[in-house]
Amino acid sequence: DQQVKQNSPSLSVQEGRISILNCDYTNSMFDYFLWYKKYPAEGPTFLISISSIKDKNEDGRFTVFLNKSAKHLSLHIVPSQPGDSAVYFCAASENAGNMLTFGGGTRLMVKP
Amino acid sequence: DTGVSQNPRHKITKRGQNVTFRCDPISEHNRLYWYRQTLGQGPEFLTYFQNEAQLEKSRLLSDRFSAERPKGSFSTLEIQRTEQGDSAMYLCATSEFDEQFFGPGTRLTVL
Repeated sequence: DQQVKQNSPSLSVQEGRISILNCDYTNSMFDYFLWYKKYPAEGPTFLISISSIKDKNEDGRFTVFLNKSAKHLSLHIVPSQPGDSAVYFCAASENAGNMLTFGGGTRLMVKP
Repeated sequence: DTGVSQNPRHKITKRGQNVTFRCDPISEHNRLYWYRQTLGQGPEFLTYFQNEAQLEKSRLLSDRFSAERPKGSFSTLEIQRTEQGDSAMYLCATSEFDEQFFGPGTRLTVL
């Protein structure tokens, strides 16, 4: 049973436009959510997180939106840059600091 | 470099051999996690330490797997009698507060 799902395996976006990556979860006990970026042959790099008490968190070009009623979160990257091309994973936990449950990832390609 | 480090970065072994991986955390990070990632999948949780205490283990962690964190600093993950299905990237992450920071991983190939 996949508790965190990223239904789009890949996404292609033009440089300068917005990239929107989506994530759905089924476990209503999840209350802390994170996004990671991963390049080949490297470990995941933390990007941004959000607690369930918020519906939006912003850090520079990255914004995460959380819709608890729909059990859905999204990552917006504006403007997208070629260096953003990587695999993006969303992750969730029951209480911050506990084990993470990851989605399957979305490969983002930003074309110059 | 003060990030999470893992050694070795790559390990090729024959089926039935034992292997051991090491993770050195960011200093002062009291929590340490092991995950496993196979091709095309997200990382899957294996086990978690707070200081030297192993607090949680996934059912993925069969009795061939053992992890230790003596003295609450570095950690080791040992796989005994490796099987081809153990081939994966083994990731270590550490945290002080909420966010987990990952090392580069150890890629295990079992022939």
